[in-house]
Amino acid sequence: DIQMTQSPSSLSASVGDRVTITCRASQSISSYLNWYQQKSGKAPKFLIYGASSLQSGVPSRFSGSGSGTDFVLTITSLQPEDFATYYCQQTFTNIRTFGQGTKVEIK
Amino acid sequence: QLQLQESGPGLVKPSETLSLTCTVSGGSITSSNYFWGWIRQPPGKGLEWIGTISYSGTTFYNPSLKSRVTISLDTSKTQFSLKLNSVTSADTTIYYCVRHVIANSWDGFDYWGQGTLVTVSS
Repeated sequence: DIQMTQSPSSLSASVGDRVTITCRASQSISSYLNWYQQKSGKAPKFLIYGASSLQSGVPSRFSGSGSGTDFVLTITSLQPEDFATYYCQQTFTNIRTFGQGTKVEIK
Repeated sequence: QLQLQESGPGLVKPSETLSLTCTVSGGSITSSNYFWGWIRQPPGKGLEWIGTISYSGTTFYNPSLKSRVTISLDTSKTQFSLKLNSVTSADTTIYYCVRHVIANSWDGFDYWGQGTLVTVSS
């Protein structure tokens, strides 16, 4: 199976900050990488597919980049509703695997 | 608006079979671009994909669970189901049903149920 490793595991940031979260795959996955946002007690929300394409309705302050093994989720100007846990997920193989999550907390 | 809703027992005894159903409303379950699946998450922990089924009944499962999992589709009822046998305490988690879109590069879990906690305990 392809292992997905996110860093950091958690971070503290303030409203208005620029936040970056990294996801690394254990082997090349081209651009087959998704990002999800999960708020406490809720189901995850699909944010980005194909490493950089925004799912419909997702604010433009969210962006994704990367290919191969290294990927980045960027949130420019963090908003109060963005405090959540973020997961990456690969779709390169039929065996879908997630990263362990990155919790974005209020500083 | 598409909605998914899990249903089933919240408590299952060890060694028995966990059975959950997901009812889909507000959309078709038979479109070729849409698959249907299950994901689980221990409270406070990360996400684990369990498996996915196509509208035609083709399934693919997480190898770590494959020997114990069956996902099936009932198009007449717009439902799909999960069965996990020989459960242990390690199967105590929140179970989500999801729509799994697969259309070229658009590939992901775009609709989720609210999740249902299943506890394995005697």
